[in-house]
Amino acid sequence: AQSVTQLGSHVSVSEGALVLLRCNYSSSVPPYLFWYVQYPNQGLQLLLKYTSAATLVKGINGFEAEFKKSETSFHLTKPSAHMSDAAEYFCAVSGAPGGGNKLTFGTGTQLKVEL
Amino acid sequence: DAGVIQSPRHEVTEMGQEVTLRCKPISGHDYLFWYRQTMMRGLELLIYFNNNVPIDDSGMPEDRFSAKMPNASFSTLKIQPSEPRDSAVYFCASSLGEGYSQHFGDGTRLSIL
Repeated sequence: AQSVTQLGSHVSVSEGALVLLRCNYSSSVPPYLFWYVQYPNQGLQLLLKYTSAATLVKGINGFEAEFKKSETSFHLTKPSAHMSDAAEYFCAVSGAPGGGNKLTFGTGTQLKVEL
Repeated sequence: DAGVIQSPRHEVTEMGQEVTLRCKPISGHDYLFWYRQTMMRGLELLIYFNNNVPIDDSGMPEDRFSAKMPNASFSTLKIQPSEPRDSAVYFCASSLGEGYSQHFGDGTRLSIL
């Protein structure tokens, strides 16, 4: 079975500081990995996805993530946080044989950006 | 392009009533997913369809829940009878296929009194 673990349910950073949200995955096959963002009272929006083309993936709003097979990690980073980045972030994995396009989500990390 | 459209956005009803949530996926997408989000349990996949056929309904909590997809452009999630513990935000999502990202609607916030 596939799974993802997001370390830290709440992360707080200062505006302009580095954002680092951690995600580790478990998969018996090469996975597809995704980061989604959810703003209050909205659905999930795709930030970026990894599908084996390149290990460093750039997404929207200045976010990027690096796939590290040796560490089974797919951490999300942004060099400089902005107040508008405050939201909940979800890591997800898919690609299990016979799993169709089913996504398994992590429990989410709430990002707070302070002045 | 229109995204995934869900209706209603909010629903408040009394325990025991039937509730029907609706979803229109993005045109051309072959997969449709129903999720439930609560503070306690996070995001849970309830059921998903491929080409209008239910593939995996192992996440449907009880027989009170049912989902249909009569055609490629419409799906419903029905709860009958509803209970207070069904209160949650229900999301519909659609995607092109394996490896493609899922596109989410804005959700239906359901409150059962």
